Amino acid sequence: TQLLEQSPQFLSIQEGENLTVYCNSSSVFSSLQWYRQEPGEGPVLLVTVVTGGEVKKLKRLTFQFGDARKDSSLHITAAQPGDTGLYLCAGRSGNTPLVFGKGTRLSVIA
Amino acid sequence: GAVVSQHPSRVICKSGTSVKIECRSLDFQATTMFWYRQFPKQSLMLMATSNEGSKATYEQGVEKDKFLINHASLTLSTLTVTSAHPEDSSFYICSASRTSGPDTQYFGPGTRLTVL
Repeated sequence: TQLLEQSPQFLSIQEGENLTVYCNSSSVFSSLQWYRQEPGEGPVLLVTVVTGGEVKKLKRLTFQFGDARKDSSLHITAAQPGDTGLYLCAGRSGNTPLVFGKGTRLSVIA
Repeated sequence: GAVVSQHPSRVICKSGTSVKIECRSLDFQATTMFWYRQFPKQSLMLMATSNEGSKATYEQGVEKDKFLINHASLTLSTLTVTSAHPEDSSFYICSASRTSGPDTQYFGPGTRLTVL
């Protein structure tokens, strides 16, 4: 069974601060995705990374896939209240369905 | 493109009744659809995978006779929670994929089920 561990589980920061969320596994993934979910809504895809060492940027969000394709990180620069939400990483290996991490609940306080 | 809808968005039912949730791919054909369950403050847990025209594949611990899944067309999958009980109250989310291979999964907005 593939497991994805996310840390921290909860994070409360002030507006303008930087933060990093981690997603780790002992398994190798062919691709890894990051989602953001608002309460009462489905998850929305932010990014997909497929190459070891890959770095992708989406405005103030920077995503990195580990060289061994077992871990990933999400870094947010100058967090804003609008960034508040549940951030989920999800990985896939070969033909298997997506496996989700437990999520990081981020609260950005103005 | 790649929009997935769910209906209803919220449903409240009495214990012992059955509830059907629909998942539709609006602008693409979905060979494979997935059903997830999410309890409050927890992550998404995969319940089952269904391919159009085939029987669904259920994850370990998910009762196939309780959670009936039908994927009769390339744009519609249904999840029926039979004889629902309060512990079945949850947020049910579907996702759809164009192919049965490692393709992008597009998620629906979810259905909040409350069983009284």
